[in-house]
Amino acid sequence: EIVLTQSPGTLSLSPGERATLSCRASQSVSSSYLAWYQQKPGQAPRLLIYGASSRATGIPDRFSGSGSGTDFTLTISRLEPEDFAVYYCQQYGSSPEYTFGQGTKLEIK
Amino acid sequence: EVQLVQSGAEVKKPGESLKISCKGSGYSFTSYWIGWVRQMPGKGLEWMGIIYPGDSDTRYSPSFQGQVTISADKSISTAYLQWSSLKASDTAMYYCARPQLRYFPDAFDIWGQGTMVTVSS
Repeated sequence: EIVLTQSPGTLSLSPGERATLSCRASQSVSSSYLAWYQQKPGQAPRLLIYGASSRATGIPDRFSGSGSGTDFTLTISRLEPEDFAVYYCQQYGSSPEYTFGQGTKLEIK
Repeated sequence: EVQLVQSGAEVKKPGESLKISCKGSGYSFTSYWIGWVRQMPGKGLEWMGIIYPGDSDTRYSPSFQGQVTISADKSISTAYLQWSSLKASDTAMYYCARPQLRYFPDAFDIWGQGTMVTVSS
């Protein structure tokens, strides 16, 4: 079973700043089957990125994903007030088998 | 509109059984996997398992194998998550979710609104 470790646990930034969130896998994620989700309080998660770097439908281009193998990054180029939330990475694949990271809380500084 | 609509909140006692539901609409229910995700209060997301309603192929996370049962009734486009004997530690929000792609267990782009299950004596 692949274990995903996200860092940092909490990230404190101001609107307009750049956010960089990390997700490290315990073994290589096949075919870059890595996704990122955003979750706000009281809401279901929302898919942001799939295939490590493809934006889901309707996701603003300030969100970008990169990485391969065991190291992946979600970057938010310029934070908007509505971006402050919890972010999760997830690996998926044809087994099928899914794993979530423990989450990174992005809070307003 | 593609959507998943889950059954309402439940309050149960330890030892009781429970079955919650997730009804799909706006798409071919039998062509997409449906997964279940647990979120305990104040905690992160945990994948529980997934079912392909077309043939009822079901897979479980090792953490949830034997603890819950996932099923589906394709005649009414509904997936289920059930417990035979609830514990207080089952208190959580439960989400169903559908992958983006037909036939393939892809990232989840459609989510239900969640079902809160509270287990307390």
